[in-house]
Amino acid sequence: EVQLVQSGAEVKKPGESLNISCRGSTYSFNHYWIAWVRQLPGKGLELMGIIYPGDSDTRYSPSFQGQVTMSVDKSISTAYLQWSSLKASDSAMYYCARDGSGSHSDSYGMDVWGQGTTVTVSS
Amino acid sequence: AIQMTQSPSSLSASVGDRVTITCRASQDIRNKVGWYQQQPGKAPRFLVFAASGLQNGVPSRFGGSGSGTDFTLTITSLQPEDFATYYCLQNYNTPWTFGQGTKVEIK
Repeated sequence: EVQLVQSGAEVKKPGESLNISCRGSTYSFNHYWIAWVRQLPGKGLELMGIIYPGDSDTRYSPSFQGQVTMSVDKSISTAYLQWSSLKASDSAMYYCARDGSGSHSDSYGMDVWGQGTTVTVSS
Repeated sequence: AIQMTQSPSSLSASVGDRVTITCRASQDIRNKVGWYQQQPGKAPRFLVFAASGLQNGVPSRFGGSGSGTDFTLTITSLQPEDFATYYCLQNYNTPWTFGQGTKVEIK
């Protein structure tokens, strides 16, 4: 079964750094875009950006450019979302999802989702 | 960035009703729209690709249509498990963008 498994819930203080992960299994990880999606409490889905593991081509949505860093480690089929200095407003649920096209130059839609990682930032 | 305007933001319906949700894109995006369902406390689920293609395992009461700028998700006979929030997403170009969501509630 194709799966994305995310790291566990995090509780952090403002100003701290954080790295959450998303591990893909049972598919060719390098060839499928990975998207990161934020959901603030009680709000809708926001696409933060996408990364292509094969060449680390990364496209950030404007609201998130400079606020987070996306990366991958192909050797362990894992994508990461990183913050260098968290704010209380980063408290949210974060999902990773796979675009099902299997192509760098096309998009199909996000057919496989991780279970989500809750991030709580509070002093 | 392409904006996706989704309507209504919420609706009340009964089991067995036909429900229609629309998304309008701020520019021509051909058929590059998908639809997602999110039940409370769960990750989103992919329902429709390329505006009208039904993802594997999705019941046939779900259907999508449209091209260009106007898109529709229809549920022909609402079932209890369909009460959820629905989102459109354009994947025509980056940054991909979601609509604001439509919450389908029980009347």
